[in-house]
Amino acid sequence: AQSVTQLDSQVPVFEEAPVELRCNYSSSVSVYLFWYVQYPNQGLQLLLKYLSGSTLVKGINGFEAEFNKSQTSFHLRKPSVHISDTAEYFCAVSYGQTGANNLFFGTGTRLTVIP
Amino acid sequence: GAVVSQHPSRVICKSGTSVKIECRSLDFQATTMFWYRQFPKQSLMLMATSNEGSKATYEQGVEKDKFLINHASLTLSTLTVTSAHPEDSSFYICSADGGGSYEQYFGPGTRLTVT
Repeated sequence: AQSVTQLDSQVPVFEEAPVELRCNYSSSVSVYLFWYVQYPNQGLQLLLKYLSGSTLVKGINGFEAEFNKSQTSFHLRKPSVHISDTAEYFCAVSYGQTGANNLFFGTGTRLTVIP
Repeated sequence: GAVVSQHPSRVICKSGTSVKIECRSLDFQATTMFWYRQFPKQSLMLMATSNEGSKATYEQGVEKDKFLINHASLTLSTLTVTSAHPEDSSFYICSADGGGSYEQYFGPGTRLTVT
């Protein structure tokens, strides 16, 4: 069965420190990977996506993620976080075989940036 | 581009009444729209997939008679919560299919409170 795992429910980090938010997915032949950010009482905003090509994907707000097929991971990273990065982050996967448009979401990681 | 709006952003209704939430794709046509429900501090749960001109496909455990979905045009899908009860209070988010890009574009969400 398709599944997306975000191991860390909460990640506190000091301002200007680096951060990594982890995401693993159940293996499949073809996957399309996404990271979304959600600010309080708002919808989801796309940070970045991997569809094909280079495994290192750069997104908005200085975030990047690396698709690792052998480890079935798509971890999100930022070298230096800001207070404004405090939000909920969701990893999502679309499995091409089961329906190109169906997104499976992880449980989310709450990133808190400490001044 | 690819903006999705939702109306209203917040609604408070009395138990037993019905509430309609609109989801619009503002600058593109969306054959498929999705409706999600999000409980506090939890991930998004897909409720149903809405295809223009046809009946919605509901996820297991979602009452189709309670959550009525209509997708009458390529830019509008509506979710009607019928005979609302306090346990229906939640954050409802819609998204629209990106048209072959495997990406979904999310609306800002609607906070429903049933008193």
